[in-house]
Amino acid sequence: GAGVSQSPSNKVTEKGKDVELRCDPISGHTALYWYRQSLGQGLEFLIYFQGNSAPDKSGLPSDRFSAERTGGSVSTLTIQRTQQEDSAVYLCASSLIGGSSWGQPQHFGDGTRLSIL
Amino acid sequence: AQTVTQSQPEMSVQEAETVTLSCTYDTSESDYYLFWYKQPPSRQMILVIRQEAYKQQNATENRFSVNFQKAAKSFSLKISDSQLGDAAMYFCAASSGSRLTFGEGTQLTVNP
Repeated sequence: GAGVSQSPSNKVTEKGKDVELRCDPISGHTALYWYRQSLGQGLEFLIYFQGNSAPDKSGLPSDRFSAERTGGSVSTLTIQRTQQEDSAVYLCASSLIGGSSWGQPQHFGDGTRLSIL
Repeated sequence: AQTVTQSQPEMSVQEAETVTLSCTYDTSESDYYLFWYKQPPSRQMILVIRQEAYKQQNATENRFSVNFQKAAKSFSLKISDSQLGDAAMYFCAASSGSRLTFGEGTQLTVNP
């Protein structure tokens, strides 16, 4: 597609349930990033993929969070046993090559708003 | 560690006027990039402008320009001839290897 696509747009679930968030990057972009944005705050880095591998996953807040990427394309962020503090907007971005220090701008999707009841 | 600070939670400007949004950063990197992103209510982060730290010349994109002061670690965004469509949350960000570090954002209101 023309841009980064994320699904679902909104997700409401009960505390303790598992959720999966999907990101479809721009075609040809080898680097993929996940960020979390809590209400009224800036973006918090979660994980970075280069191809199918994740050289930097230091931002994942706990072992309840995991992510994978297959075929160098679609990525899934999974949150197990959700807690109320997981409520946030989860944003995905992609870029042509990895590493922001190379100056490649990251292109963002519209995000998934996750609400934990 | 890298930090980005935006000291103005909210700013307002009259339509057609000029406004400047402030940003300071701290990094141990010698080679880095700085960005301004705009986030309208639709949630999508839109790249406004990018500055390469090794370039002294300030970046410009149409009505948007930056004032990059490397020694002071300052990176402000100037919006000229403000338009109603410029109303959004603006985030300053700095690169660090594989990630962007974002500031807390400045909510810009444009008054008709």
